[in-house]
Amino acid sequence: DAGVTQSPTHLIKTRGQQVTLRCSPKSGHDTVSWYQQALGQGPQFIFQYYEEEERQRGNFPDRFSGHQFPNYSSELNVNALLLGDSALYLCASSKVRTGIQNQPQHFGDGTRLSIL
Amino acid sequence: AQSVSQHNHHVILSEAASLELGCNYSYGGTVNLFWYVQYPGQHLQLLLKYFSGDPLVKGIKGFEAEFIKSKFSFNLRKPSVQWSDTAEYFCAVIAMNTGFQKLVFGTGTRLLVSP
Repeated sequence: DAGVTQSPTHLIKTRGQQVTLRCSPKSGHDTVSWYQQALGQGPQFIFQYYEEEERQRGNFPDRFSGHQFPNYSSELNVNALLLGDSALYLCASSKVRTGIQNQPQHFGDGTRLSIL
Repeated sequence: AQSVSQHNHHVILSEAASLELGCNYSYGGTVNLFWYVQYPGQHLQLLLKYFSGDPLVKGIKGFEAEFIKSKFSFNLRKPSVQWSDTAEYFCAVIAMNTGFQKLVFGTGTRLLVSP
């Protein structure tokens, strides 16, 4: 049973460029969340997708956008990259079940993004 | 806004020592609580979770955590650590009135267990 897979594993970009990160959720999961983990910090929630819509958003600017596809996979797009965007970007998936409390999120290995 | 505080950023123990990692959260309503572990070179893995019921929860690899509502705490414990427990540990909370599953993480505690 495949877990959460993310691509690419590493990426180097320069300031002002745009980047797209990809995530395939664990089999059977329908909800995808994205997190940014800066060095020495805990993951920070970016946004969450369910039924192809952004359902919740953290304190990130509009330069951060996303998409969820009918097969539940997701993309994270970041425009006009800044040096401060250098971080590990984590994707997490879970299954929403009516009447049952939050199901634990399963994390991928992350994409390490470096901005030069 | 919810926040999570982990008091120890770095902990160094010898094998067989007992472990307790502190975690406090700030949110007055109902919460779901989690501890995640990240072993070197691996992804975040769920160690244990609290949703409701018995405030003492047991997780994998001999870890347990106790939810004390009056103290807004969810400390992680293990009676006897092993070298293989060397990892980074994250406490996280979901506030139950916020709709979907927004995890708020602490800054993490790096545990080094010397053989």
